[in-house]
Amino acid sequence: EVQLVESGGGLVQPGGSLRLSCAASGFTFSSYWMSWVRQAPGKGLEWVANIKQDGSEKYYVDSVKGRFTISRDNAKNSLYLQMNSLRAEDTAVYYCARGIPTRGMDVWGQGTTVTVSS
Amino acid sequence: SYVLTQPPSVSVAPGKTARITCGGNNIGSKSVHWYQQKPGQAPVLVIYYDSDRPSGIPERFSGSNSGNTATLTISRVEAGDEADYYCQVWDPEVFGTGTKVTVL
Repeated sequence: EVQLVESGGGLVQPGGSLRLSCAASGFTFSSYWMSWVRQAPGKGLEWVANIKQDGSEKYYVDSVKGRFTISRDNAKNSLYLQMNSLRAEDTAVYYCARGIPTRGMDVWGQGTTVTVSS
Repeated sequence: SYVLTQPPSVSVAPGKTARITCGGNNIGSKSVHWYQQKPGQAPVLVIYYDSDRPSGIPERFSGSNSGNTATLTISRVEAGDEADYYCQVWDPEVFGTGTKVTVL
């Protein structure tokens, strides 16, 4: 079964750090772009970052540049999001998703919740 | 930055047709994908590459893209189609503002 499972979410104080993980199974992880997408409470979807199959290209939404780092370990079939200098506005459910530019994001995880609050 | 604009809401009676628009500058030159999201669930891809359907998605879902507008069409709407719908493009990667579809 093709599956993505996120972990690492939780409650963190403003200015703190958190590392999200996404474990992939059931498909050739190294063949796909991978993305992080978030959804603030009651709001729409927001793309956060993505990474090319071999990790050679990484892109970020402007609001997280310099604070978040996306990475992957193809040997472990895992995707990561290191989040530093967290702000209240980073509070959201974070989803990992696999994708191909011409085929969209066809597999999503169940999401992990990040709450930034004092 | 590139912006994709959707109507906040669309209401449709069962058995009728719902059309959800996604407006963006020259969006017709990009590949557009559409997602359905029900409350408390992860999004599901319903249309990719403007008009292709993933396996398992009913033929009632179709898409088109031209000029400055992409459109998701849901024919013979059912109660189970009630959800939020989002368009999305790559390069730059961005989601639309989202449309809540209500089945009357």
